[in-house]
Amino acid sequence: EVQLVASGGGLVQPGGSLRLSCAASGFTFSHYWMHWVRQAPGKGLEWVANINPDGSQRKYVDSVKGRFTISRDNDKNSVYLQMDSLGVEDTAVYFCARPSVAGIYWYYDLWGRGTLVTVSS
Amino acid sequence: DIQMTQAPSSLSASVGDRVTITCRASQSISTDLNWYQQKVGKAPKLLIFGASSLQSGVPSRFSGSGSGTEFTLTISSLQPEDFATYYCHQSYTTPYPFGQGTKLEIK
Repeated sequence: EVQLVASGGGLVQPGGSLRLSCAASGFTFSHYWMHWVRQAPGKGLEWVANINPDGSQRKYVDSVKGRFTISRDNDKNSVYLQMDSLGVEDTAVYFCARPSVAGIYWYYDLWGRGTLVTVSS
Repeated sequence: DIQMTQAPSSLSASVGDRVTITCRASQSISTDLNWYQQKVGKAPKLLIFGASSLQSGVPSRFSGSGSGTEFTLTISSLQPEDFATYYCHQSYTTPYPFGQGTKLEIK
Protein backbone atom coordinates (compact mmCIF):
# COMPACT_ATOMS: atom_id res chain seq x y z
CA GLU A 1 0.00 0.00 0.00
CA VAL A 2 1.24 3.47 -0.87
CA GLN A 3 1.38 5.41 2.38
CA LEU A 4 3.21 7.77 4.68
CA VAL A 5 3.16 7.23 8.43
CA ALA A 6 4.29 10.09 10.63
CA SER A 7 5.32 9.61 14.23
CA GLY A 8 7.27 11.20 17.04
CA GLY A 9 4.89 13.89 18.19
CA GLY A 10 4.14 14.55 21.82
CA LEU A 11 4.23 17.06 24.64
CA VAL A 12 7.44 19.06 25.05
CA GLN A 13 8.35 22.07 27.17
CA PRO A 14 9.24 25.41 25.60
CA GLY A 15 12.87 25.40 24.57
CA GLY A 16 12.86 21.64 24.16
CA SER A 17 13.47 19.39 21.17
CA LEU A 18 11.60 16.71 19.31
CA ARG A 19 12.34 14.59 16.27
CA LEU A 20 9.53 13.64 13.93
CA SER A 21 9.77 10.69 11.56
CA CYS A 22 7.79 9.83 8.46
CA ALA A 23 8.04 6.32 7.06
CA ALA A 24 7.16 5.79 3.42
CA SER A 25 6.03 2.58 1.78
CA GLY A 26 4.62 1.38 -1.51
CA PHE A 27 6.63 3.67 -3.78
CA THR A 28 10.24 4.43 -4.69
CA PHE A 29 10.97 6.89 -1.90
CA SER A 30 14.40 7.88 -3.19
CA HIS A 31 12.86 9.39 -6.33
CA TYR A 32 10.76 11.98 -4.54
CA TRP A 33 11.18 15.32 -2.84
CA MET A 34 9.54 15.26 0.58
CA HIS A 35 7.86 18.07 2.52
CA TRP A 36 6.59 18.82 6.00
CA VAL A 37 3.42 20.89 6.43
CA ARG A 38 1.91 21.85 9.77
CA GLN A 39 -1.45 23.00 11.07
CA ALA A 40 -1.91 24.74 14.39
CA PRO A 41 -5.09 23.80 16.26
CA GLY A 42 -8.09 25.35 14.51
CA LYS A 43 -5.83 27.16 12.02
CA GLY A 44 -4.78 26.82 8.41
CA LEU A 45 -2.01 24.92 6.71
CA GLU A 46 1.59 26.14 6.77
CA TRP A 47 4.41 24.78 4.64
CA VAL A 48 7.44 24.10 6.85
CA ALA A 49 10.29 22.52 4.91
CA ASN A 50 11.30 20.35 1.99
CA ILE A 51 14.20 18.18 0.92
CA ASN A 52 15.27 16.88 -2.47
CA PRO A 53 15.68 13.19 -3.32
CA ASP A 54 19.36 12.88 -2.40
CA GLY A 55 19.16 15.20 0.60
CA SER A 56 21.49 17.84 -0.82
CA GLN A 57 18.89 20.62 -1.02
CA ARG A 58 16.71 21.83 1.85
CA LYS A 59 14.42 24.81 2.22
CA TYR A 60 12.57 26.17 5.26
CA VAL A 61 9.90 28.70 6.11
CA ASP A 62 11.49 31.70 7.82
CA SER A 63 9.81 31.02 11.17
CA VAL A 64 11.71 27.74 11.65
CA LYS A 65 15.05 28.54 10.01
CA GLY A 66 17.92 27.81 12.35
CA ARG A 67 15.70 25.75 14.67
CA PHE A 68 14.36 22.92 12.49
CA THR A 69 16.35 20.52 10.32
CA ILE A 70 14.84 18.28 7.67
CA SER A 71 16.75 15.15 6.71
CA ARG A 72 16.14 11.80 5.08
CA ASP A 73 17.45 8.26 4.97
CA ASN A 74 16.66 6.66 1.65
CA ASP A 75 17.80 3.24 2.89
CA LYS A 76 15.11 3.43 5.57
CA ASN A 77 12.53 5.14 3.32
CA SER A 78 12.14 7.84 5.91
CA VAL A 79 12.18 11.60 6.24
CA TYR A 80 12.76 13.38 9.53
CA LEU A 81 12.17 16.77 11.09
CA GLN A 82 14.47 17.65 13.98
CA MET A 83 12.85 20.48 15.92
CA ASP A 84 14.94 22.42 18.45
CA SER A 85 14.26 25.52 20.55
CA LEU A 86 10.55 24.83 20.35
CA GLY A 87 8.09 27.57 21.21
CA VAL A 88 4.35 27.52 21.89
CA GLU A 89 3.87 28.81 18.34
CA ASP A 90 5.18 25.47 17.04
CA THR A 91 2.20 23.60 18.53
CA ALA A 92 0.55 21.94 15.56
CA VAL A 93 -0.25 18.74 13.75
CA TYR A 94 2.71 18.01 11.50
CA PHE A 95 2.04 16.28 8.19
CA CYS A 96 4.62 14.76 5.89
CA ALA A 97 3.62 15.06 2.26
CA ARG A 98 4.87 13.70 -1.03
CA PRO A 99 4.76 15.98 -4.04
CA SER A 100 4.18 14.49 -7.46
CA VAL A 101 4.75 16.05 -10.85
CA ALA A 102 2.44 16.33 -13.84
CA GLY A 103 4.13 18.14 -16.69
CA ILE A 104 5.30 21.50 -15.35
CA TYR A 105 3.22 21.32 -12.19
CA TRP A 106 3.72 19.70 -8.79
CA TYR A 107 1.21 19.06 -6.06
CA TYR A 108 0.77 16.95 -2.93
CA ASP A 109 -0.90 13.70 -3.84
CA LEU A 110 0.05 11.72 -0.74
CA TRP A 111 -0.13 12.84 2.86
CA GLY A 112 0.70 11.19 6.13
CA ARG A 113 -1.90 11.09 8.85
CA GLY A 114 -0.21 13.79 10.92
CA THR A 115 1.45 13.77 14.31
CA LEU A 116 0.57 16.27 17.03
CA VAL A 117 3.28 18.35 18.65
CA THR A 118 2.25 20.27 21.76
CA VAL A 119 4.66 22.79 23.24
CA SER A 120 3.59 23.71 26.74
CA SER A 121 4.95 24.07 30.25
CA ASP B 1 7.60 36.26 -0.04
CA ILE B 2 4.38 35.64 -1.92
CA GLN B 3 1.19 35.97 0.13
CA MET B 4 -2.00 34.07 -0.66
CA THR B 5 -5.37 35.54 0.27
CA GLN B 6 -8.60 33.57 0.08
CA ALA B 7 -12.14 34.88 0.17
CA PRO B 8 -14.48 34.39 1.80
CA SER B 9 -13.07 32.89 5.00
CA SER B 10 -16.38 31.14 5.58
CA LEU B 11 -19.42 30.46 3.48
CA SER B 12 -22.87 29.05 4.21
CA ALA B 13 -24.60 27.30 1.35
CA SER B 14 -27.22 24.67 0.63
CA VAL B 15 -27.06 21.35 -1.17
CA GLY B 16 -27.38 22.05 -4.88
CA ASP B 17 -25.95 25.56 -4.69
CA ARG B 18 -23.17 26.80 -6.92
CA VAL B 19 -20.30 28.28 -4.91
CA THR B 20 -17.13 30.08 -5.84
CA ILE B 21 -14.04 30.61 -3.72
CA THR B 22 -11.39 33.08 -4.76
CA CYS B 23 -7.65 33.11 -4.13
CA ARG B 24 -5.35 36.02 -4.81
CA ALA B 25 -1.56 35.92 -4.94
CA SER B 26 0.48 38.99 -4.01
CA GLN B 27 2.48 38.56 -7.21
CA SER B 28 2.14 36.50 -10.35
CA ILE B 29 2.43 32.76 -9.89
CA SER B 30 1.48 31.86 -13.47
CA THR B 31 -0.80 28.82 -13.09
CA ASP B 32 1.16 27.19 -10.25
CA LEU B 33 -1.88 26.98 -8.01
CA ASN B 34 -3.45 23.94 -6.41
CA TRP B 35 -6.68 23.51 -4.46
CA TYR B 36 -7.15 21.12 -1.54
CA GLN B 37 -10.17 20.01 0.47
CA GLN B 38 -9.74 19.18 4.13
CA LYS B 39 -12.25 17.55 6.45
CA VAL B 40 -11.94 17.73 10.20
CA GLY B 41 -9.22 15.48 11.56
CA LYS B 42 -8.05 14.43 8.12
CA ALA B 43 -5.16 15.26 5.83
CA PRO B 44 -5.90 17.53 2.87
CA LYS B 45 -7.03 16.03 -0.41
CA LEU B 46 -5.98 17.38 -3.80
CA LEU B 47 -8.80 18.63 -6.00
CA ILE B 48 -7.22 20.81 -8.67
CA PHE B 49 -3.61 21.30 -9.81
CA GLY B 50 -2.13 23.74 -12.27
CA ALA B 51 -5.02 26.12 -11.57
CA SER B 52 -7.52 24.20 -13.70
CA SER B 53 -6.60 20.50 -14.02
CA LEU B 54 -8.94 18.15 -12.21
CA GLN B 55 -7.18 15.49 -10.18
CA SER B 56 -8.08 11.95 -11.13
CA GLY B 57 -11.07 10.67 -9.19
CA VAL B 58 -12.36 14.11 -8.20
CA PRO B 59 -15.96 14.76 -9.26
CA SER B 60 -16.45 17.01 -12.27
CA ARG B 61 -18.58 19.44 -10.25
CA PHE B 62 -15.25 20.87 -9.05
CA SER B 63 -13.47 23.23 -11.41
CA GLY B 64 -10.68 25.76 -11.18
CA SER B 65 -9.68 28.74 -13.25
CA GLY B 66 -7.33 31.69 -13.27
CA SER B 67 -3.75 32.66 -13.87
CA GLY B 68 -1.28 35.25 -12.68
CA THR B 69 -2.69 36.52 -9.41
CA GLU B 70 -6.42 35.69 -9.49
CA PHE B 71 -7.83 32.21 -9.14
CA THR B 72 -11.20 30.63 -8.45
CA LEU B 73 -12.50 27.27 -7.31
CA THR B 74 -16.09 26.55 -8.28
CA ILE B 75 -18.36 23.78 -7.07
CA SER B 76 -21.23 23.63 -9.54
CA SER B 77 -23.79 21.81 -7.39
CA LEU B 78 -22.93 21.27 -3.74
CA GLN B 79 -23.25 17.77 -2.37
CA PRO B 80 -23.43 16.87 1.33
CA GLU B 81 -19.88 15.50 1.28
CA ASP B 82 -18.49 18.83 0.00
CA PHE B 83 -18.92 20.64 3.31
CA ALA B 84 -15.31 21.05 4.38
CA THR B 85 -12.50 23.59 4.40
CA TYR B 86 -10.81 24.51 1.13
CA TYR B 87 -7.27 25.80 0.70
CA CYS B 88 -5.42 27.24 -2.24
CA HIS B 89 -1.67 26.61 -2.37
CA GLN B 90 0.95 28.17 -4.57
CA SER B 91 3.61 25.82 -5.88
CA TYR B 92 5.54 28.55 -7.73
CA THR B 93 8.28 29.39 -5.25
CA THR B 94 9.29 28.82 -1.63
CA PRO B 95 8.06 29.20 1.01
CA TYR B 96 4.98 27.78 -0.76
CA PRO B 97 2.25 29.41 1.34
CA PHE B 98 -1.32 28.26 1.56
CA GLY B 99 -4.34 30.52 1.60
CA GLN B 100 -5.93 30.91 5.00
CA GLY B 101 -8.78 28.59 4.08
CA THR B 102 -12.49 28.83 3.32
CA LYS B 103 -14.82 26.92 5.59
CA LEU B 104 -17.90 25.78 3.69
CA GLU B 105 -20.82 25.17 6.01
CA ILE B 106 -24.36 23.92 5.56
CA LYS B 107 -27.01 26.65 5.55
